[in-house]
Amino acid sequence: DAGVIQSPRHEVTEMGQEVTLRCKPISGHDYLFWYRQTMMRGLELLIYFNNNVPIDDSGMPEDRFSAKMPNASFSTLKIQPSEPRDSAVYFCASSQPGTQETQYFGPGTRLLVL
Amino acid sequence: SQKIEQNSEALNIQEGKTATLTCNYTNYSPAYLQWYRQDPGRGPVFLLLIRENEKEKRKERLKVTFDTTLKQSLFHITASQPADSATYLCALDTGGNNRKLIWGLGTSLAVNP
Repeated sequence: DAGVIQSPRHEVTEMGQEVTLRCKPISGHDYLFWYRQTMMRGLELLIYFNNNVPIDDSGMPEDRFSAKMPNASFSTLKIQPSEPRDSAVYFCASSQPGTQETQYFGPGTRLLVL
Repeated sequence: SQKIEQNSEALNIQEGKTATLTCNYTNYSPAYLQWYRQDPGRGPVFLLLIRENEKEKRKERLKVTFDTTLKQSLFHITASQPADSATYLCALDTGGNNRKLIWGLGTSLAVNP
């Protein structure tokens, strides 16, 4: 298996632009997580899905952030409009059916908003 | 609110020595705790999971302890090697209906040859 796949790996955009991050979880995994990592706050859970249904989005910073999971093999995280404070590394992770234990992380998307 | 703390200072040790990393938490009773390794520019990689009813768990040169009274986990790497240099993250299960992991900021370990 190729592991969790994320795209793009790097994104540089200007304030106010829309940003879409993409994730393909490991086949057969039914949990999908979106995290944001910064030096100051570490890894923060933004939202997670189970069987394509959002379970907990309490970590989503504000209405500018939205996430979807239209099917078991694809998820997006969208920021609109983007702001400089959104600059961070965004990780997608997945875990096996029935458990959130042992999360498998993608390589991350490094986002810089100018 | 739940809080999880790891050694904020980077840890520098000599090759062959044992590295010990600390994870302390407050205001929670986790069902389990996990340790991950993160290399620069990469996502975290799972290492070990220890449950609330387990005192110790080992995997090759790694050992994790979990003291629910002290609310502390210790992570040991014995016979350390330069290849063990990385950031190590502690993650706590919150339990409950909307269980999720909350994460420490990590401890940077450098093993010098």
